[in-house]
Amino acid sequence: EVQLLESGGTLVQPGGSLRLSCVASGFTLSSFGMSWVRQAPGKGPEWVSGISGRGDEIYYADSVKGRFTISRDTSKNTLSLQMNSLRAEDTAVYYCAKDPILRFGDDAPGVWGKGTTVTVSS
Amino acid sequence: YVLTQPPSVSVAPGETARIPCGGKNIGIKSVHWFQQKPGHVPVLVIYYDNNRPSGIPDRFSGSSSEHAATLTISRVEAGDEADYYCQVWDSDTNHRLFGGGTKVTVL
Repeated sequence: EVQLLESGGTLVQPGGSLRLSCVASGFTLSSFGMSWVRQAPGKGPEWVSGISGRGDEIYYADSVKGRFTISRDTSKNTLSLQMNSLRAEDTAVYYCAKDPILRFGDDAPGVWGKGTTVTVSS
Repeated sequence: YVLTQPPSVSVAPGETARIPCGGKNIGIKSVHWFQQKPGHVPVLVIYYDNNRPSGIPDRFSGSSSEHAATLTISRVEAGDEADYYCQVWDSDTNHRLFGGGTKVTVL
């Protein structure tokens, strides 16, 4: 069964850093595009970042570019999101999601994890 | 690029709900639709304009024209009450975008 399990969310002060992880099971991370999507309280989903299966295509939303870094550890079948210079507006549930194909782009993620909560507050 | 959805749509049980998603020249983009019930993860209900993932009832369908895509829910049931989001890929910026969402209320 294809599953995604996020972890790493917690309370962090503004300006701080946090690293989220997403362990994939039931499939090989390097064969599919993956993304991070966040959802602030009471708001709709917001795409954050995406990476192709080969890791040769990486994209970021303008709101996080230069502060967040997406990466993969294929030996651990784990997707990560390094978040630096965190702001109050980064407070959200962060989901990792799996695309149906190798490339990242014009597709829809059909498998989502249950999410991990990041709260940025002093 | 901006996707525009009405905040809410109300429909009686057994009737048809139509949820529009507007965007410039959206007809040339692939549109995907997600359903999200309170406290739950988004679920893909339509991909590539009008395709249903396995397990999604055929009461859900999608269509697209030049300036709007539409998610149609036929024979609406109480269990269809949820927020619905459209999503596209903007090839000019290499960004995925979600619409603001439409809350479907079953009367």
